Amino acid sequence: SQTIHQWPATLVQPVGSPLSLECTVEGTSNPNLYWYRQAAGRGLQLLFYSVGIGQISSEVPQNLSASRPQDRQFILSSKKLLLSDSGFYLCAWSVGSSTDTQYFGPGTRLTVL
Amino acid sequence: KQEVTQIPAALSVPEGENLVLNCSFTDSAIYNLQWFRQDPGKGLTSLLLIQSSQREQTSGRLNASLDKSSGRSTLYIAASQPGDSATYLCAVRRNNDMRFGAGTRLTVKP
Repeated sequence: SQTIHQWPATLVQPVGSPLSLECTVEGTSNPNLYWYRQAAGRGLQLLFYSVGIGQISSEVPQNLSASRPQDRQFILSSKKLLLSDSGFYLCAWSVGSSTDTQYFGPGTRLTVL
Repeated sequence: KQEVTQIPAALSVPEGENLVLNCSFTDSAIYNLQWFRQDPGKGLTSLLLIQSSQREQTSGRLNASLDKSSGRSTLYIAASQPGDSATYLCAVRRNNDMRFGAGTRLTVKP
């Protein structure tokens, strides 16, 4: 069966510090991978998606970046965090066509102080 | 630009009631619509997925309908239980673009 992992589960970082969040998927090959952010009281916002190694598409301009160094690994990064980067970050995966279900990880709670 | 709205934002019902959650979207050119459940501080759990060619999907006490032409979907929960308390999110998908509503926070009181 497939599983998705995210770490860390929670993170508190000062403004201006770097960020690295990791997501890995097990039990499937060549998944589509997604990063979402959920700000307090707001819906999920798609940040990045990837259909293969080294292929990253960005949905919104921001100081965040994403990388996919391996087939089942998706990393969200920032060189300098802003207060507005605080939120709940969710990684998701799917396979096949655009009609398939997305499966979400447990999330990372990021607080920027 | 696709916008997804969920009404109500919060709902509190006594145990045993049947209830309906609403989701509307502005662009009917979607591939599918998905309902998720999110417990506090947790990730999303997929409940039902309705393809654009389908009208409804059922799973246990849950039934989701889709009227793509009018941009509406409903999630019907029968015989609600305290364990159903959570935030329910709907999302519409076109290609790799998935747009979420802000959710309905459901509380089922024993």
